[in-house]
Amino acid sequence: DGGITQSPKYLFRKEGQNVTLSCEQNLNHDAMYWYRQDPGQGLRLIYYSQIVNDFQKGDIAEGYSVSREKKESFPLTVTSAQKNPTAFYLCASSALTSTRTYEQYFGPGTRLTVT
Amino acid sequence: GQQLNQSPQSMFIQEGEDVSMNCTSSSIFNTWLWYKQDPGEGPVLLIALYKAGELTSNGRLTAQFGITRKDSFLNISASIPSDVGIYFCAGQELGGTSYGKLTFGQGTILTVHP
Repeated sequence: DGGITQSPKYLFRKEGQNVTLSCEQNLNHDAMYWYRQDPGQGLRLIYYSQIVNDFQKGDIAEGYSVSREKKESFPLTVTSAQKNPTAFYLCASSALTSTRTYEQYFGPGTRLTVT
Repeated sequence: GQQLNQSPQSMFIQEGEDVSMNCTSSSIFNTWLWYKQDPGEGPVLLIALYKAGELTSNGRLTAQFGITRKDSFLNISASIPSDVGIYFCAGQELGGTSYGKLTFGQGTILTVHP
């Protein structure tokens, strides 16, 4: 089945450690996105990529890094520089076609807890 | 970044009632989307709107792209318990610099009492 997978569903880390969240899609979408969601809040954009080997900072990129070496994959690293890393992280992708450019499809999310 | 003004923030309704929620923006949008998020899951796209004045239905859901291009609303008719969740509006600002990038509302938390 086509879709977006994120792994793991739950992730626990000690403060000061870097952690990488996985996002894979088999929808053949060009663009991929990372969002952060805190309890009771909306989605805030961390990074996005419209093409392989290129990515742009979103609204809250500090303390995060990404790579886009393959069209299907867009991993997010939460570094020790991120002051409040505990959150629900969502990956999304979109086709960037003329009619459906803005239809983003989301993965199931990864809940990261840092203690 | 800019955020949309989504209201109400939460709703508590009885099963069978109709629901209405809306999003407004101070700037013009050329696309409006509505998503639903179940607890602990990723948002699921419900309806996409691309033309001012457009009215689109998806089962018991109906959404409209406001004529001013600065607002959109979502109606749910005859609510059922599985409608529980968080509903988000999202849109692309006209003239926005980032192709494909969406702005999201804060969400409406819907609770349905049987």
